[in-house]
Amino acid sequence: DTGVSQDPRHKITKRGQNVTFRCDPISEHNRLYWYRQTLGQGPEFLTYFQNEAQLEKSRLLSDRFSAERPKGSFSTLEIQRTEQGDSAMYLCASSPEGTFTGELFFGEGSRLTVL
Amino acid sequence: DAKTTQPPSMDCAEGRAANLPCNHSTISGNEYVYWYRQIHSQGPQYIIHGLKNNETNEMASLIITEDRKSSTLILPHATLRDTAVYYCIVRGRGSNYKLTFGKGTLLTVNP
Repeated sequence: DTGVSQDPRHKITKRGQNVTFRCDPISEHNRLYWYRQTLGQGPEFLTYFQNEAQLEKSRLLSDRFSAERPKGSFSTLEIQRTEQGDSAMYLCASSPEGTFTGELFFGEGSRLTVL
Repeated sequence: DAKTTQPPSMDCAEGRAANLPCNHSTISGNEYVYWYRQIHSQGPQYIIHGLKNNETNEMASLIITEDRKSSTLILPHATLRDTAVYYCIVRGRGSNYKLTFGKGTLLTVNP
């Protein structure tokens, strides 16, 4: 499968615990995005990487959230001291280098449930 | 980016054309119209986009009105697998690398 891969697909954790999600983009794509989606809402932009550089972070990305893409390939999204409001689907997407056409390739998401 | 307005839900009979409307009355001249869909428990999937002219690909057709204030996504022969939330998004050159999703339209294709 050459699509965007996310792991784990599902995570249940207790409030206050830390969680980490991993995203492997399509191999030749240098742009990587994280989105968050809560029930009944469309995906909300969290952050964007071009290669290893994090070029934008949404105000939704509080200090408890950190994203990295150390070698410009896979990315991780860590949530520290999880809260119940963090329960959501975390979506990763990638797009190729060059003029941004608006076509994003999404993974199937990592669903987080905070108890 | 211009705001879009979509009906929250629509129904369509299997085998018939599904016509999904989108209003983007504040769209500016260099903003594109995009359509994505999201099948339950999956990530969004790109369908089509356009600027001024009508567009067609293997998945759908996009009809943009002459004044560009609205558009319609057409699935010519809807199947049960087309049941999904369809998002209409307007992207301007300023939002160079991200898309802003609304709540979309839940299309239910009935047998």
